[in-house]
Amino acid sequence: GAGVSQSPRYKVTKRGQDVALRCDPISGHVSLYWYRQALGQGPEFLTYFNYEAQQDKSGLPNDRFSAERPEGSISTLTIQRTEQRDSAMYRCASSLERAGGGGYTFGSGTRLTVV
Amino acid sequence: DAKTTQPNSMESNEEEPVHLPCNHSTISGTDYIHWYRQLPSQGPEYVIHGLTSNVNNRMASLAIAEDRKSSTLILHRATLRDAAVYYCILAPLPIQGAQKLVFGQGTRLTINP
Repeated sequence: GAGVSQSPRYKVTKRGQDVALRCDPISGHVSLYWYRQALGQGPEFLTYFNYEAQQDKSGLPNDRFSAERPEGSISTLTIQRTEQRDSAMYRCASSLERAGGGGYTFGSGTRLTVV
Repeated sequence: DAKTTQPNSMESNEEEPVHLPCNHSTISGTDYIHWYRQLPSQGPEYVIHGLTSNVNNRMASLAIAEDRKSSTLILHRATLRDAAVYYCILAPLPIQGAQKLVFGQGTRLTINP
């Protein structure tokens, strides 16, 4: 696609429910990253993938959070037994594989509200 | 992760140049310097990145000190659309092209008409 697509744009869920957030990266982008952002704060790194391999999940806050990218394209971030403190904007980004690194392209994000 | 230090906020006038500073005294030899910006209600947007030499692109210029312990993002002629939070980030050597970016608090830039 033309850009990084995230769905849903907004999600309101009750405390204790599981949620799945989807990210569809730019076609051909090898690397995919997940961040979350609280209001007024910078994005907080969660995890990233190269192709289907999860390279770093050090930013996942606890074992209720997991992510997968089974075919090296679309990724899903799952939060089990949601809590109010999980409310935030969840952002996905993707990047091309380049020897010198390069820019991420971010999606519009999913605003998660846990009530 | 090596840390960066930026002023919390800066103000400038429309059509004037803006110099956004960033200190990174603990930078390692293989750390890249990245700049992103985030406009209100939008996701972060890539601006520029470099390793040792100064860099220019259509959005901005990046001036890197000789010792690499600081850098400056230069917007040559600010417009109201440049009002955003600007993040200076150090990223390690890419692994298969991927670099983990750790965002700080950034500098909130206000542009006065």
